[in-house]
Amino acid sequence: KAGVTQTPRYLIKTRGQQVTLSCSPISGHRSVSWYQQTPGQGLQFLFEYFSETQRNKGNFPGRFSGRQFSNSRSEMNVSTLELGDSALYLCASSTGTSGETQYFGPGTRLLVL
Amino acid sequence: GQQLNQSPQSMFIQEGEDVSMNCTSSSIFNTWLWYKQDPGEGPVLLIALYKAGELTSNGRLTAQFGITRKDSFLNISASIPSDVGIYFCAGQLGSGGSNYKLTFGKGTLLTVNP
Repeated sequence: KAGVTQTPRYLIKTRGQQVTLSCSPISGHRSVSWYQQTPGQGLQFLFEYFSETQRNKGNFPGRFSGRQFSNSRSEMNVSTLELGDSALYLCASSTGTSGETQYFGPGTRLLVL
Repeated sequence: GQQLNQSPQSMFIQEGEDVSMNCTSSSIFNTWLWYKQDPGEGPVLLIALYKAGELTSNGRLTAQFGITRKDSFLNISASIPSDVGIYFCAGQLGSGGSNYKLTFGKGTLLTVNP
């Protein structure tokens, strides 16, 4: 079974631009969660989507948004990029049902200049 | 946001030695997870613990879910060079609703000297 895939793997943007990252979950998984990883803050939860609905949300500003499609693929968007948005963005998928653990993709490394 | 206290922050050991790391929290979790992350990759699930007091092994790895539900430890026996990486603990309150997210520790950087 193929794992979680994320595209692109690397991205360079400038301040003020916006960016869209994509995540394809493991086949059959309906839940996709997004995390931001930085050296200073570690791994922090952004949001989770289940069956095209945002089910959970972390403490990030409204510039961070996401969506999920009917095939469970998910995208996250960051608008008006800031230098501090430079990070590894990870998505994780699971079945979304009780007790199921989350499996991570390789991440997208975003550098904001 | 909420963080788990993971220790030690880093370890430098000789090949063949055993390793122990742990996580503590001020609040309870109903699931504890241990992940390993290699440079440039996403975390890979090592062990999942679902029940207080549970002791689970995966090869040379052993992890326990603390009785109080506020802590967990991971042991690696007879370390080998490929054990090098960052190990993260993660807690989850439950599934569904607002309890689904994972809360992560800051990680333990393990270096193994051949």
